[in-house]
Amino acid sequence: DAGVIQSPRHEVTEMGQEVTLRCKPISGHNSLFWYRQTMMRGLELLIYFNNNVPIDDSGMPEDRFSAKMPNASFSTLKIQPSEPRDSAVYFCASSFRDGANVLTFGAGSRLTVL
Amino acid sequence: SQQGEEDPQALSIQEGENATMNCSYKTSINNLQWYRQNSGRGLVHLILIRSNEREKHSGRLRVTLDTSKKSSSLLITASRAADTASYFCATDELGGGGADGLTFGKGTHLIIQP
Repeated sequence: DAGVIQSPRHEVTEMGQEVTLRCKPISGHNSLFWYRQTMMRGLELLIYFNNNVPIDDSGMPEDRFSAKMPNASFSTLKIQPSEPRDSAVYFCASSFRDGANVLTFGAGSRLTVL
Repeated sequence: SQQGEEDPQALSIQEGENATMNCSYKTSINNLQWYRQNSGRGLVHLILIRSNEREKHSGRLRVTLDTSKKSSSLLITASRAADTASYFCATDELGGGGADGLTFGKGTHLIIQP
């Protein structure tokens, strides 16, 4: 298995532009998580899905953020419009909920909004 | 909000020495996990300890858990230069009723001097 795959690895965009981050979880995993990492706030859980259904999006900072999981092998996190304070590394992680909740992380998408 | 808080924030030791990192948390948990993050990479799961366990070993890693004090420690014995990374504790909170996201601390940055 190639692990959790995220794209793009790096994105530089201008304020006001739409940003779409993509994630392919590990095949067979039934939970998917989006985290954001910054120096100031550390790792923050934005949203997670169980069996493709969004369960808790209370961590999504604003309505500018949205996430979808149309099928078990793909998820997107969209920011529209982007702002400089959205600059961060965004991680996708997946797990198989079997009594433990061990996460496998992707390599992350580093977003810079100018 | 951050559940786990690691201590110290940064630690620098000589190769071959032991490194100890501590984590405190606030709520009741199912388990506590430790992850490592190398610079520019995603987090990698190291070890999991369940709420009914007090100590666990994996190779050069030793984890303890004290649920009465809501604290855990990670010991890395005979450190190597390759152990240089940030280490995070993460808690799987009790009563989630499904695959809830883990709550991460801000991490301990460990530097092993050759």
